[in-house]
Order: sequence, then C-alpha cells, then structure tokens
Amino acid sequence: DADVTQTPRNRITKTGKRIMLECSQTKGHDRMYWYRQDPGLGLRLIYYSFDVKDINKGEISDGYSVSRQAQAKFSLSLESAIPNQTALYFCATSGGTGTQEQYFGPGTRLTVT
Amino acid sequence: GQSLEQPSEVTAVEGAIVQINCTYQTSGFYGLSWYQQHDGGAPTFLSYNGLDGLEETGRFSSFLSRSDSYGYLLLQELQMKDSASYFCAVRLFQKLVFGTGTRLLVSP
Repeated sequence: DADVTQTPRNRITKTGKRIMLECSQTKGHDRMYWYRQDPGLGLRLIYYSFDVKDINKGEISDGYSVSRQAQAKFSLSLESAIPNQTALYFCATSGGTGTQEQYFGPGTRLTVT
Repeated sequence: GQSLEQPSEVTAVEGAIVQINCTYQTSGFYGLSWYQQHDGGAPTFLSYNGLDGLEETGRFSSFLSRSDSYGYLLLQELQMKDSASYFCAVRLFQKLVFGTGTRLLVSP
C-alpha cells in the first residue's frame, strides 16, 4: 500500500461549490504539507502542519483552509471553488527535523468549471 | 522574497551526461534539494545538499556553492527513463520553496 494517499484522485466541480481534498499517511511523520502545481509554475505551498495543533499558511493560502484531524490525516478545503483553483494538488509528508526530504502523494487533479 | 531559476528544458541522448543548474536568491537558506517528477506522477526526492560540495547517489550527483547561490544536478549515463521534470528546492527554516522545473528529454 502507498505510504501517502490522496482522495479523490480526480474531481470536477462547479464554481461556488465547497470541496474537500483528503490526505492520509502511514509513514508516522509529524509534518504534512499541501501544494498546488500549475504548468510552468512548479509547486507552491498552500498550508503546512508540524503536528495536530500546528497549522501554518504557505505562500498561496487565500481561498483555502485546512484541518489536521490526526497525525496521519490532513485535509484541504476550498470553501467556494473558483476556476483559477483548477490545478493538480499534492499532499506531502516529512519526518524528523528536516523538511528537505518530502514524500508526496499521487495528487488530486481538480477542475473547477 | 524567494526566487529560483532553472532552465525550462534540456535535451540529451542516451548514455550522455547532463547538468541542470539552479540559481537562487533567498533569505534564511538551509540547503538545496532536488526532486524528479515523471509526467502524471508525484515528485520524488533525489538528493540534498546542506553544505558546499558534491553529493553522489548512483548515477546522480548534486553540487552546492552557497557563496555563489548556485547548485546543479548532474545525471550520468542517461537512460530513457530519466526523461522527466527536475525541480530544485531551497530549504528554508520550516519549508521548501520549489523552482519552476527543468524538463529533461532523453532521446535514443
């Protein structure tokens, strides 16, 4: 089984709808991250969490919120989806004291129409 | 702010050696990571340089010069399966900032 899983893998939704992307990990890591990837823009950090009580904004957090339900679970929500949130979303984890080596989930392709 | 620059695309032939450069301007630099991403796949970690010098992992090596704000990934004995995008990422205190990626095309 994969160490980092994301659900759903693909989602098409309409403008204004609320949507939640879920991430689970079995690596036992404390640190979890949400990124979005757009063509030509690389990976941009949305939110990150170092434990259940710790949530931090990344560089592009506007329009997104997160919830760290447990050490193993980190969810990303779009309260009111808009078309420019169409992107590939990745969850990642890292262990120990280092953020340099991150383990990524398979990604969720989200389309907002 | 933080900025990283890497070439958008590099082409090479099987068996060759290719170098992908990364220059950065950041504050609070801790080190430089490299990731590989195949089309439709997730990024996977390749290497990390926290200190100046060369790190070698099999066919891949990574170099860092902190005084020059520069690093590179060296891929030797290229194989078709090395065709992918490669991202450098600066490690800051609590996070990574990724470059926009270099697409490597390996031809027979």
